Amino acid sequence: GQQVMQIPQYQHVQEGEDFTTYCNSSTTLSNIQWYKQRPGGHPVFLIQLVKSGEVKKQKRLTFQFGEAKKNSSLHITATQTTDVGTYFCAGPRGNNNDMRFGAGTRLTVKP
Amino acid sequence: KAGVTQTPRYLIKTRGQQVTLSCSPISGHRSVSWYQQTPGQGLQFLFEYFSETQRNKGNFPGRFSGRQFSNSRSEMNVSTLELGDSALYLCASSFRDANYGYTFGSGTRLTVV
Repeated sequence: GQQVMQIPQYQHVQEGEDFTTYCNSSTTLSNIQWYKQRPGGHPVFLIQLVKSGEVKKQKRLTFQFGEAKKNSSLHITATQTTDVGTYFCAGPRGNNNDMRFGAGTRLTVKP
Repeated sequence: KAGVTQTPRYLIKTRGQQVTLSCSPISGHRSVSWYQQTPGQGLQFLFEYFSETQRNKGNFPGRFSGRQFSNSRSEMNVSTLELGDSALYLCASSFRDANYGYTFGSGTRLTVV
């Protein structure tokens, strides 16, 4: 079935360094969503990408959707301690009304 | 507007017991999905309800069931609990389906002993 792979599993950075997490799907996705889960919290919707090659920015966060709509990335510029958490990508499971989540990238930021 | 409300927040149950979890979605959202989150398996889809009908189901045993009421509130039930059912159960509300993005509740932390 459709798989959503996410790397790396963990990333430790010094505050001020950049961070990138990558998401790859075995099939073409109609859209991809990104979520952030703080430690002890629940996933919070960040953004949805729909178009091939789409790039969206939210302050220091940049989201990209690949041309083939099979991969995506989230890049954080100049990380801050508030960026700590696990970042998940999610893609629709076939034509079903549910999302398949990647395993997540856990980001820790050293002050 | 109010977010997604899940109750209870924490539960401790014994093997063999059953449990019912509740979720109230955002007002106006008709789709409610349930996910199980564990450190080993990540976020796993259980089922989705829309207009009181189960529209989609994940790959979980029949011990896991759910329902949705006319006011869109949803419950999920797990019977004959096993140790491996210990997890964070998350309810996700969306306007019509997952392609509109999920709003998650705070979850119910279930511990089976």
